[in-house]
Amino acid sequence: EDQVTQSPEALRLQEGESSSLNCSYTVSGLRGLFWYRQDPGKGPEFLFTLYSAGEEKEKERLKATLTKKESFLHITAPKPEDSATYLCAVQVPSGGSYIPTFGRGTSLIVHP
Amino acid sequence: AAGVIQSPRHLIKEKRETATLKCYPIPRHDTVYWYQQGPGQDPQFLISFYEKMQSDKGSIPDRFSAQQFSDYHSELNMSSLELGDSALYFCASSLGSGANEQFFGPGTRLTVL
Repeated sequence: EDQVTQSPEALRLQEGESSSLNCSYTVSGLRGLFWYRQDPGKGPEFLFTLYSAGEEKEKERLKATLTKKESFLHITAPKPEDSATYLCAVQVPSGGSYIPTFGRGTSLIVHP
Repeated sequence: AAGVIQSPRHLIKEKRETATLKCYPIPRHDTVYWYQQGPGQDPQFLISFYEKMQSDKGSIPDRFSAQQFSDYHSELNMSSLELGDSALYFCASSLGSGANEQFFGPGTRLTVL
């Protein structure tokens, strides 16, 4: 059973058309939810960490929010350079330790 | 600012050969993570080290081993390579273990023929 689910899988927007990406999780005792941006063939680039429900963080056109069951990445007035795959990750408890677990990502394309 | 360095960036091997991937974390970062990412897939956690000791273990095959050295760099050793091992291998580093943001390297693209 997936413990981190991202939706939609793919999203096409026109430049300036705001939208939100979703990351839902079923992990109990959340030890941080992380958002990353990944460009093709490159390593994920850290964007945000959220630790508790109600927390919000912003960076340029991106704003991440967290509830007890999900996180949203809001993209305001996106530009073509925002095109990338956006990944969220949590740490899943496993045998006394924690395993970093990523969702499958949302592939975002912003058309000029 | 210094980033995570991985070498080599590209590697081509034959089946049943061995490969060694190297990772140099951001200075002062004491934790290293290894991930495997297949085409169109999310990064799959393999193994991590904190202060030169293995801290967590994910879906790392028995054919693979890794270690972190005294200068905090890490090496992922892969033996008896299979076609299915072809993937991007990322190393990430963080300051401290636990719920800290990870900074990823550019990856090593391994192709097994």
